Amino acid sequence: GAVVSQHPSRVICKSGTSVKIECRSLDFQATTMFWYRQFPKQSLMLMATSNEGSKATYEQGVEKDKFLINHASLTLSTLTVTSAHPEDSSFYICSAGGRSNQPQHFGDGTRLSIL
Amino acid sequence: QKEVEQNSGPLSVPEGAIASLNCTYSDRGSQSFFWYRQYSGKSPELIMFIYSNGDKEDGRFTAQLNKASQYVSLLIRDSQPSDSATYLCAVSYLKTGNQFYFGTGTSLTVIP
Repeated sequence: GAVVSQHPSRVICKSGTSVKIECRSLDFQATTMFWYRQFPKQSLMLMATSNEGSKATYEQGVEKDKFLINHASLTLSTLTVTSAHPEDSSFYICSAGGRSNQPQHFGDGTRLSIL
Repeated sequence: QKEVEQNSGPLSVPEGAIASLNCTYSDRGSQSFFWYRQYSGKSPELIMFIYSNGDKEDGRFTAQLNKASQYVSLLIRDSQPSDSATYLCAVSYLKTGNQFYFGTGTSLTVIP
């Protein structure tokens, strides 16, 4: 099946640090990638939709200047959490889809802990 | 507003029994339906998808779709302790490309 690689799997860093998370589709071209956040025992929350070659579409309440998304190619999207604070600590998961209505495939997620 | 609803559970079934997970959706324009399994601390993994009314079987899993009643279900036969996880229902709409709308998930525990 389709493979989505996400790195790093875990990040622990000090408050104020910027953290970049990469999401790669390894065996297919992903015209769209999605970034989710999940707090413990809660459901997935869509943060933004990333389209190759264009600006990301952010969900209501998600600060686009804090969560920078770049989708420079059909196989790579990055999420940068700028000036991270403890409240940004969460499980960040990317997914990639091909054509419309095809399944999304998830990366393994990045557990971000801000001290 | 596109809503996808699931009973949060927890749902407990004995090993070997059939687990039945249900999902309802609000928008009749829904096109595609997906079931994901998420183990604690892990990311979701795709189990099945279904586009047409009726049943779709894959091993121990059967997805059932009823567009008239706006529900989709997942049956797990011969449930195993390793099936214990949260099951997420997702719906996509042709008009919104492949953006998914997820339910909150149903927690399943299979008791040995």
